[in-house]
Amino acid sequence: QSVLTQPPSASGTPGQRVTISCSGSTPNIGSNYVYWYQQFPGTAPKFLMYRNDQRPSGVPDRFSGSKSGTSASLAISGLRSEDEADYYCAAWDDSLRAWVFGGGTKLTVL
Amino acid sequence: QVQLQESGPGLVKPSETLSLTCGVSGYSISRGYYWGWIRQPPGKGLEWIGSIFRTGGTYYNPSLNSRVTLSLDTSVNQFSLKLSSVTAADTAVYYCTRVTWYQIGDNWFDPWGQGTLVTVSS
Repeated sequence: QSVLTQPPSASGTPGQRVTISCSGSTPNIGSNYVYWYQQFPGTAPKFLMYRNDQRPSGVPDRFSGSKSGTSASLAISGLRSEDEADYYCAAWDDSLRAWVFGGGTKLTVL
Repeated sequence: QVQLQESGPGLVKPSETLSLTCGVSGYSISRGYYWGWIRQPPGKGLEWIGSIFRTGGTYYNPSLNSRVTLSLDTSVNQFSLKLSSVTAADTAVYYCTRVTWYQIGDNWFDPWGQGTLVTVSS
């Protein structure tokens, strides 16, 4: 069981907007920044979002992040087939004194 | 451009010590940043193992703390992971990564190595 909870799957059609949720608690998301990583099958994760809603250079502005209380979300607008991947949220947990990840959400572009 | 590459045995026997090395190119690890390890059991999610600073300071996942040792070798620009007393539960793809660190709770992992699968089996 992951400390951060994500839906196992999400889907959308090209051009749609999809949102992936990440639910935590006070010691992690409630107290710290949220980060997102994108992973294509058989490859290493790629850094996608930092400090809740900041995009690293090179990440399209179709990707956006938000956080409210003990939950966070990653939104992808103008969905494209190349967005099909697994997405993981992460946060530091003050109680566990460790980085914790969500279980990952598999995004399918229909 | 920074690149990282894991290396080490792909098969380790139960109760033995898993040892991996991460070679870094395009950046001198003695200049700065933390350097870390994250693993992913087959078909499962990510688990942070620990991070080490250029001076050798470390912080580990408490769930693995007693079994983990991270170290740096700046002479060959690489850092290493040792995980002792392994069991089948330690079977995973192990990734090394550079850690941009501002403060506890404000760091991120980028870039990542391609990962190496380590299987624990007799």
